[in-house]
Amino acid sequence: GDSVTQMEGPVTLSEEAFLTINCTYTATGYPSLFWYVQYPGEGLQLLLKATKADDKGSNKGFEATYRKETTSFHLEKGSVQVSDSAVYFCALSPGRGSTLGRLYFGRGTQLTVWP
Amino acid sequence: NAGVTQTPKFQVLKTGQSMTLQCAQDMNHEYMSWYRQDPGMGLRLIHYSVGAGITDQGEVPNGYNVSRSTTEDFPLRLLSAAPSQTSVYFCASRQDRSGTDTQYFGPGTRLTVL
Repeated sequence: GDSVTQMEGPVTLSEEAFLTINCTYTATGYPSLFWYVQYPGEGLQLLLKATKADDKGSNKGFEATYRKETTSFHLEKGSVQVSDSAVYFCALSPGRGSTLGRLYFGRGTQLTVWP
Repeated sequence: NAGVTQTPKFQVLKTGQSMTLQCAQDMNHEYMSWYRQDPGMGLRLIHYSVGAGITDQGEVPNGYNVSRSTTEDFPLRLLSAAPSQTSVYFCASRQDRSGTDTQYFGPGTRLTVL
């Protein structure tokens, strides 16, 4: 079945360090892929998405490329800030034809950035 | 647009009590869902709805009921609260089932069952 596996945290970085959070998926068909971010005490909000292979999603300096050959959607940022401290979730939506419309989430990765 | 709203923000119940968590969205979305979030477990789907009058179970439906009488509202009922239901609950909505649209989340309800 459809599933997402993301690297476990917590991840602790100094400000301006490079960030990678790995995400791989298992899916039939042609899924869409998402990264959501959850700031302390808040709900999840979309960070970026990619809806087909080789698409790159980007937002707020974060990027992720949909790699069908490696079934991956790794999140990267070249220079993190203290304000990026949050929990990051990778998610998958099954391709057109699914009757569920649901998202399958990874377990989340806690990122803490120190000044 | 208010987006997805949830009430209450916090709730404390005693074992055996019942209550309803409210969720509403003003974006005319077809798809609505309820998740619970527990430490180390990520988000787990409780129930979902693909439109008014249509609901179905997710991964962890036991102890919860839902109904969808309108497009806007999707309440979650705890029938007889148990300590294992202590969690943060999120409601979410989505435009359609094509698979490409963003899912919007409410701010969450933090529930403690004593």
